[in-house]
Amino acid sequence: DAGVIQSPRHEVTEMGQEVTLRCKPISGHDYLFWYRQTMMRGLELLIYFNNNVPIDDSGMPEDRFSAKMPNASFSTLKIQPSEPRDSAVYFCASSRTSGGPSSYEQYFGPGTRLTVT
Amino acid sequence: AQSVTQLDSHVSVSEGTPVLLRCNYSSSYSPSLFWYVQHPNKGLQLLLKYTSAATLVKGINGFEAEFKKSETSFHLTKPSAHMSDAAEYFCVPNRDDKIIFGKGTRLHILP
Repeated sequence: DAGVIQSPRHEVTEMGQEVTLRCKPISGHDYLFWYRQTMMRGLELLIYFNNNVPIDDSGMPEDRFSAKMPNASFSTLKIQPSEPRDSAVYFCASSRTSGGPSSYEQYFGPGTRLTVT
Repeated sequence: AQSVTQLDSHVSVSEGTPVLLRCNYSSSYSPSLFWYVQHPNKGLQLLLKYTSAATLVKGINGFEAEFKKSETSFHLTKPSAHMSDAAEYFCVPNRDDKIIFGKGTRLHILP
């Protein structure tokens, strides 16, 4: 099992550019989560999906952020346009659960370190 | 509403001494509870989890945690710290689709 795969591992971009982060969850997992981690705010849940459907996007900071999950094995988090304050480490996680995400552990990817200059 | 409080943002212990990382949750019912560890520049890894079975839960790397409903606590302990334990630790209660990470506790191991 390859675990959760994220790409790219590092991204440096200029303010105003579009950024797309990618995630491949563990095969068979039906929940997928996107998190953002910064020194100031810690680890924040941005959005999560169940069976490819967005369930809670209340953590998405603003309309510049969007996330999709077109199939069970792929998800993207897009920022357009990017701003310096978006600089953070973005984690994707997946879990397998039959009755909701509450009782099952999440498996995290290695993260994408985004720097917006 | 649920919340979690990790009482210490930083904890420093000497190698070979006990570790105690404190976590209190606020909930009207017993949630599922997890401890995750994050080593520098790495993703998070599950240490242990409580899901209403035994109240004393053993995890990886010699860590364990005890669920105390009367105190709404789920403190993480280890009898003897090792240098490789230096990391950030997160206490995570969740239930009813609410996933709440604490602020984290950074554990420093002194030689």
